[in-house]
Amino acid sequence: RKEVEQDPGPFNVPEGATVAFNCTYSNSASQSFFWYRQDCRKEPKLLMSVYSSGNEDGRFTAQLNRASQYISLLIRDSKLSDSATYLCVVNIMDQAGTALIFGKGTTLSVSS
Amino acid sequence: NAGVTQTPKFRVLKTGQSMTLLCAQDMNHEYMYWYRQDPGMGLRLIHYSVGEGTTAKGEVPDGYNVSRLKKQNFLLGLESAAPSQTSVYFCASSYGDRDSYEQYFGPGTRLTVT
Repeated sequence: RKEVEQDPGPFNVPEGATVAFNCTYSNSASQSFFWYRQDCRKEPKLLMSVYSSGNEDGRFTAQLNRASQYISLLIRDSKLSDSATYLCVVNIMDQAGTALIFGKGTTLSVSS
Repeated sequence: NAGVTQTPKFRVLKTGQSMTLLCAQDMNHEYMYWYRQDPGMGLRLIHYSVGEGTTAKGEVPDGYNVSRLKKQNFLLGLESAAPSQTSVYFCASSYGDRDSYEQYFGPGTRLTVT
């Protein structure tokens, strides 16, 4: 299944680095986009929604490019605590209506 | 608020055994979901419910059944477990429409079928 694709990584960066993740989606009619964070052996948690105009939450910036059907997540000034897997999530139409499709995730490891 | 809780946290089954996974939420959410997560596969939707007494199939429903007799509970059943059902199972709930509201996840159940 390739509706939502992410680079699995791992991305290994030092503290303070800036790192960017991309995610592509296949359904041009998708309307809702999210980034979830999943720590090792824990449940996913919403990091931020992605809006058409782009949005920022502290060190995190999400961008949406509808023409190219990709979403990005930029993390500035990386912290050790940012180490996790980041899941790109997109809504997609299926026979039952719409559903959220989770990407396989991009793993980030921040080292001191 | 406990949020979303799952019981049990770990379980080992033998092929052919049955079991029920329990999910409970105290946020008065209408929508509830069961996912499985396997290495290299990401989260895949098994079944979901849009309200008490309703259930619907997700992407990978075969081998599972569900029930939503009470709004706060969503049960996932395995009638005859198979090794292919070894996975981490996550329950989630959301306030509204499946695709536009934040989903809150439980801590997961790690199931091994031998």
